[in-house]
Amino acid sequence: DQQVKQNSPSLSVQEGRISILNCDYTNSMFDYFLWYKKYPAEGPTFLISISSIKDKNEDGRFTVFLNKSAKHLSLHIVPSQPGDSAVYFCAAIIQGGSEKLVFGKGMKLTVNP
Amino acid sequence: NAGVTQTPKFRVLKTGQSMTLLCAQDMNHEYMYWYRQDPGMGLRLIHYSVGEGTTAKGEVPDGYNVSRLKKQNFLLGLESAAPSQTSVYFCASSYGRTATYEQYFGPGTRLTVT
Repeated sequence: DQQVKQNSPSLSVQEGRISILNCDYTNSMFDYFLWYKKYPAEGPTFLISISSIKDKNEDGRFTVFLNKSAKHLSLHIVPSQPGDSAVYFCAAIIQGGSEKLVFGKGMKLTVNP
Repeated sequence: NAGVTQTPKFRVLKTGQSMTLLCAQDMNHEYMYWYRQDPGMGLRLIHYSVGEGTTAKGEVPDGYNVSRLKKQNFLLGLESAAPSQTSVYFCASSYGRTATYEQYFGPGTRLTVT
């Protein structure tokens, strides 16, 4: 049973517009969430994270929103740039647990010039 | 700092052959992880280590073994490769039990088993 779900495999947006990437989770014990970005032929790199005690975290053009009651988080990229084209993974962890991240399947974002 | 490095970058094996993938990190991280990435499957944890001399099973450990004899190195072994082990393998490391839980990934090893 998949505990972290990224139900849309891909998203295409125009440069300058907003990109919204969604992630749902089923395990209510998850209390820390991360987003990773991955370019082809490279390893994933950390992008932004959020603790369950917050509902929003912002870092430059990237904002992550967390809705605990809906077990849903989203990553907003504003404005989107062609260099943002990559695969984005959502991940979740139980703090104080086994330090194991649970990843979603990923979503490919394409930002068109 | 090189960060997390993986050796080799590419490898082709025949079914039944064995090999070892090497992961090295120079960040003095306590925790290290091995993942595999398959199309449509995301990143799945194979084995991990919470410190030198320790290892533990992840989500998909069957067919793999690991060792962490030195803090900076984490080895992933395939004793008898199978076509189902064709994948891209990523190593990662982290400080462990920090406020951010951020893992740092290597560039990956693309393994093909024929």
